[in-house]
Amino acid sequence: GQNIDQPTEMTATEGAIVQINCTYQTSGFNGLFWYQQHAGEAPTFLSYNVLDGLEEKGRFSSFLSRSKGYSYLLLKELQMKDSASYLCAVDGYSTLTFGKGTMLLVSP
Amino acid sequence: EAQVTQNPRYLITVTGKKLTVTCSQNMNHEYMSWYRQDPGLGLRQIYYSMNVEVTDKGDVPEGYKVSRKEKRNFPLILESPSPNQTSLYFCASRLQGTSGETQYFGPGTRLLVL
Repeated sequence: GQNIDQPTEMTATEGAIVQINCTYQTSGFNGLFWYQQHAGEAPTFLSYNVLDGLEEKGRFSSFLSRSKGYSYLLLKELQMKDSASYLCAVDGYSTLTFGKGTMLLVSP
Repeated sequence: EAQVTQNPRYLITVTGKKLTVTCSQNMNHEYMSWYRQDPGLGLRQIYYSMNVEVTDKGDVPEGYKVSRKEKRNFPLILESPSPNQTSLYFCASRLQGTSGETQYFGPGTRLLVL
């Protein structure tokens, strides 16, 4: 089975940097997704890590350590529109298991 | 435009009345799946399909059926809905074996079972 943990809530200030952690214990691992989800909307893709290391994509970066079962999403230069839920999900190739999500609130 | 569509977007029904939620994708993806999302529980996979006529159970399949007769469509069937199936449902599609960027979610179907 899969066990995925991420913090329930985080708060940060506009313009700051925030790191959202995700730890996992899985029986199968192909890669790890990060998604952003605004309330009442569908999740939208942010990143997919297969190999260890940091991948940068504009203001968002994602890190993976397969040996430690650990990933984080780094958001820079926070904007008000970044207030959303951030979901990490383990790709077990045929199945996809999501964490419960981290609600990020960005304040002025 | 690449997209996943779901219908209906909102549905109120009564216990025991069979319903189908349709899902269609225009990207020729092989892999499709259904999720439900509930407060405090996150997204949970109901069923997935790796290709036409190939379906398998996810984490919460009880009370649901699916079929995959053609690549673009993957309907979710509730034969006898119950109130505990009140939820927000998402369909998703992905080109199996390639990078994860190709997993797209539909807009969601909000279901209320009375």
